[in-house]
Parts: sequence; structure tokens; C-alpha cells
Amino acid sequence: GENVEQHPSTLSVQEGDSAVIKCTYSDSASNYFPWYKQELGKGPQLIIDIRSNVGEKKDQRIAVTLNKTAKHFSLHITETQPEDSAVYFCAASVASFQKLVFGTGTRLLVSP
Amino acid sequence: GAGVSQSPSNKVTEKGKDVELRCDPISGHTALYWYRQRLGQGLEFLIYFQGNSAPDKSGLPSDRFSAERTGESVSTLTIQRTQQEDSAVYLCASSLEGAHDTQYFGPGTRLTVL
Repeated sequence: GENVEQHPSTLSVQEGDSAVIKCTYSDSASNYFPWYKQELGKGPQLIIDIRSNVGEKKDQRIAVTLNKTAKHFSLHITETQPEDSAVYFCAASVASFQKLVFGTGTRLLVSP
Repeated sequence: GAGVSQSPSNKVTEKGKDVELRCDPISGHTALYWYRQRLGQGLEFLIYFQGNSAPDKSGLPSDRFSAERTGESVSTLTIQRTQQEDSAVYLCASSLEGAHDTQYFGPGTRLTVL
């Protein structure tokens, strides 16, 4: 079945720096890749997603890139702010089933 | 509009007791998902409902776990004879039609089994 690996598990940056989180997936038929942000005590919230017909998508300070050949996708956050501190999860669709497989999460800490 | 709601927000129970968790999806969303999140871990898929189709139960960890959904509305997740390893946050999500649509998550139910 689909397997999604996510790195790093923790990431500490200074305010204003960039942060990059990387994920790899195993099912070449996956075609939908969302990223979720989870703040303490809350459910995950979608921040950006990308589909396999595009290689990059950007929304203000957040961007996602997809390399279908290598089966990996990345989240880029520029000009990080303390309020970006949270756990970020990547996910990939499972072609055969109507569900997502999630990565194990990255805890991002942005220090002022 | 209203988001996904879950109740209770916290549940403490004794080992061996049954518990029932409730999820109210966003109105009009045909797809509903249950996930389990152990402390510091990722999201583990449990079960998926899509309209009137048979649910995908492939993620349920044992026959102590079951879930129901009434039409395209409320869903309940039942755990029978709870064990300490069932302690986790149980998250519910709904989407318009399926996995390729944005999943909106509820705040979760934190279950503690003593």
C-alpha cells in the first residue's frame, strides 16, 4: 500500500528564515498531495495542496513543489513568523481508495 | 458556516468500558473520515464513509472498533471493551465528495483509558 515518509521530524528556525519540509511517497498513481497545519489542541487545517498536473503552487509565503518522477514533494515557508510554529503533515492520495495517507509530521518551531 | 464538530471533547473511561464518540460533518459533505492520532504521532486512518456506499473499514485496528453513519449526517465511532492502548485523539473529517477534495477536520475527542 501507499507509504508516505516525512522529514525532518523537528525543525527549528529563526524568525525570517525559510523552512523546508520534504515528503516521499510510494504509489506512483497518487495524484493529490495536501499539506496540513496542526496547532496544539486543534484538528489539522489544510494550508495548501497540489495535484499531479502541476509542478509548483504558491500562496503568499507558502509554496509546494512536486516531482512525480522522483515521487517527492516539499513544503516551503518563507519569511517565517512565530505563528507558523505548529506540526505540519503531508499526505498523498491512495489511487485505489478514496482516502489519504499521512506522513508522520514535522514539528516546526520559529524563534523570535 | 459551521465546521466539523465532535463530542465529547474529552473522555476519560476505565479499561473494559465501551465508549461512543460523535461527529457532525459539514452540511452537504458526502464523505466522512475517522482518524486516530496517538500522542506525538501522525494520523492513522480508521474508516471512510461515502454517501450510501459500503464504508471502507480497512483501517479499523480490531473488531472492538465500529462506526456508523446515518445517511450523510452524523457519525458515531464506538470502541468496545476499551484498552489502555486505545488512548489517543480521535479526529473526524468531512469532504465534499472524496479524498481529492479538501478534508475539513474537527477538533477531535481526546480519549484516555485508565
